[in-house]
Amino acid sequence: ETGVTQTPRHLVMGMTNKKSLKCEQHLGHNAMYWYKQSAKKPLELMFVYNFKEQTENNSVPSRFSPECPNSSHLFLHLHTLQPEDSALYLCASSPSRNQPQHFGDGTRLSIL
Amino acid sequence: GQQLNQSPQSMFIQEGEDVSMNCTSSSIFNTWLWYKQDPGEGPVLLIALYKAGELTSNGRLTAQFGITRKDSFLNISASIPSDVGIYFCAGQRYGGSQGNLIFGKGTKLSVKP
Repeated sequence: ETGVTQTPRHLVMGMTNKKSLKCEQHLGHNAMYWYKQSAKKPLELMFVYNFKEQTENNSVPSRFSPECPNSSHLFLHLHTLQPEDSALYLCASSPSRNQPQHFGDGTRLSIL
Repeated sequence: GQQLNQSPQSMFIQEGEDVSMNCTSSSIFNTWLWYKQDPGEGPVLLIALYKAGELTSNGRLTAQFGITRKDSFLNISASIPSDVGIYFCAGQRYGGSQGNLIFGKGTKLSVKP
């Protein structure tokens, strides 16, 4: 139990579907992150939120849309994804931007 | 972009053996972190290092922050089957977007009983 919960754990969707990934942290952290993990590549940072404000968008295509309604919840809205978007999407949180990040178990996303 | 060179890419060892892996960078970092990822799970933080030269242990794991601040090492002593997994290093600088973690590609560890 890492204190960071991601749902769903697995998601299969067509390219025209709209779905959302959810992340909830119970650690009282102020920063939250979305990462993409593909085979044989380093973890890729997608978005950073600090005190509910987006502070970083790492050149992510607009078909990925993050939302952070409060410091404990983070969403990733998905629309018109491509097959190359199939990957493990990891959420992380940290007390502040300069402190170690704690990860959830991820959502395994498959695009048909 | 920034990269960390993590080696080896994979290791196959016998139970009871010691393991060493490392990460190097052309840039200096303020913090080095080591994570382990088991299949179907997210990375779990093992050790965090904050000072050049620092040597920190967590059970059978020992990690060091290189004196040049451009590298870090992780050692596992007397390996056991549950050590199997992928180990990631990550470097971090302080301030703004430099607070982002830069990850290595991972070292996949296999332990033969």
